[in-house]
Amino acid sequence: EVQLVQSGAEVKKPGESLKISCKGSGYSFTSYWIAWVRQTPGKGLEWMGTIYPRGSVTEYNPSFHGHVTMSVDTSIDTAYLQWTSLEASDTAIYFCARPYYDRAKDGFDVWGPGTMVTVSA
Amino acid sequence: QSVLTQPPSASGTPGQRVTISCSGSSSNMGSNNVDWYQHLPGTAPRLLIHTNNYRPSGVPERFSGSKSGTSASLAISGLQSGDEADYYCAAWDDSLNGYVFGTGTKVTAL
Repeated sequence: EVQLVQSGAEVKKPGESLKISCKGSGYSFTSYWIAWVRQTPGKGLEWMGTIYPRGSVTEYNPSFHGHVTMSVDTSIDTAYLQWTSLEASDTAIYFCARPYYDRAKDGFDVWGPGTMVTVSA
Repeated sequence: QSVLTQPPSASGTPGQRVTISCSGSSSNMGSNNVDWYQHLPGTAPRLLIHTNNYRPSGVPERFSGSKSGTSASLAISGLQSGDEADYYCAAWDDSLNGYVFGTGTKVTAL
């Protein structure tokens, strides 16, 4: 079964760092892009960026570029989303997703369950 | 501010056909494929339609998609109470070099 398993919920303070994970299984992890999508009540779904595990090629949404970093560890088929300094506005649910085909621009048919991140003083 | 515009809400009685529109531009829907998602907040979105009008396996035939130029639509035939959710169109945008989601439409079964 193809699936993405994400790390658990996090509660952090503003200014703290955080790294959440997304582990793929049931398919060739290095052959598909992995995207990160943010869900917030006010803004719906937002594509944050995508990374190709083979070579760690990345494409970022300009709205998130410089604030988050995407990375992968192909030895354990895991993708990461990282912040060095969290802000209250980062409070959201973060999903990782895999495209239906093996292109960055394709729709996502496999999704992780989401990681709830709460940033509060 | 999304570059793909959807009506904020749509509704129908059970059994009715509901249609959701999505308006974009030449850099996204005009030159790339459109996808549609069903989303219950707090859960993972579900891909309903990919490549404009293809249903992944497991998606009922009641859901259908179409695209013409820079606009697309999702139709739900035989609306059911279980279809109540938020629906998003999405496409790659060549100008932004990224994937964009629509503003979302909340569907209600009256």
